[in-house]
Amino acid sequence: NAGVTQTPKFQVLKTGQSMTLQCAQDMNHNSMYWYRQDPGMGLRLIYYSASEGTTDKGEVPNGYNVSRLNKREFSLRLESAAPSQTSVYFCASSESEVLQFFGPGTRLTVL
Amino acid sequence: GEDVEQSLFLSVREGDSSVINCTYTDSSSTYLYWYKQEPGAGLQLLTYIFSNMDMKQDQRLTVLLNKKDKHLSLRIADTQTGDSAIYFCADERDYKLSFGAGTTVTVRA
Repeated sequence: NAGVTQTPKFQVLKTGQSMTLQCAQDMNHNSMYWYRQDPGMGLRLIYYSASEGTTDKGEVPNGYNVSRLNKREFSLRLESAAPSQTSVYFCASSESEVLQFFGPGTRLTVL
Repeated sequence: GEDVEQSLFLSVREGDSSVINCTYTDSSSTYLYWYKQEPGAGLQLLTYIFSNMDMKQDQRLTVLLNKKDKHLSLRIADTQTGDSAIYFCADERDYKLSFGAGTTVTVRA
């Protein structure tokens, strides 16, 4: 039982490049989330998916798209990366509002 | 998030108690949480408290909730070097978490 896994662990992009961050969970959770973490700002919700087939915007969705591919996988796409998107990205999953399990994070640098 | 506030730093001597404070604004939160983040790692759920409780104790951890003042605290008894980390409080609204900026706890010998 791996919990929540994320790939890649690290990524460096040039401004304007695109990439997809992958997230998978093996706990059969309905809900999945993408957060970004910036120094002094805690974690901010980018997008979430309450169940397979649904996605909703969070606090900071601009510049991102998501896909809930199936119950296990929830990907985050940057179509045209900007330096302001340099951050650490965390995926999380939960079955109820009580518990959210977090992945190890992806450290993204946009030059 | 701006609706959840914490002090940024806490320095504590090994063996003493640590108290991390948090204030929140949303009185409709059902649960409030404490997460721990060690360097280079993801977030680990430490404990949580249901909003109709005043206190929850779990081994060295004690959570106090003052709903009237919207104040949450985490007390770590007998603080150890392994407790050095960033601690985040979070409240929950509609199945979404809103986090504070995190309190960096440094344990000194």
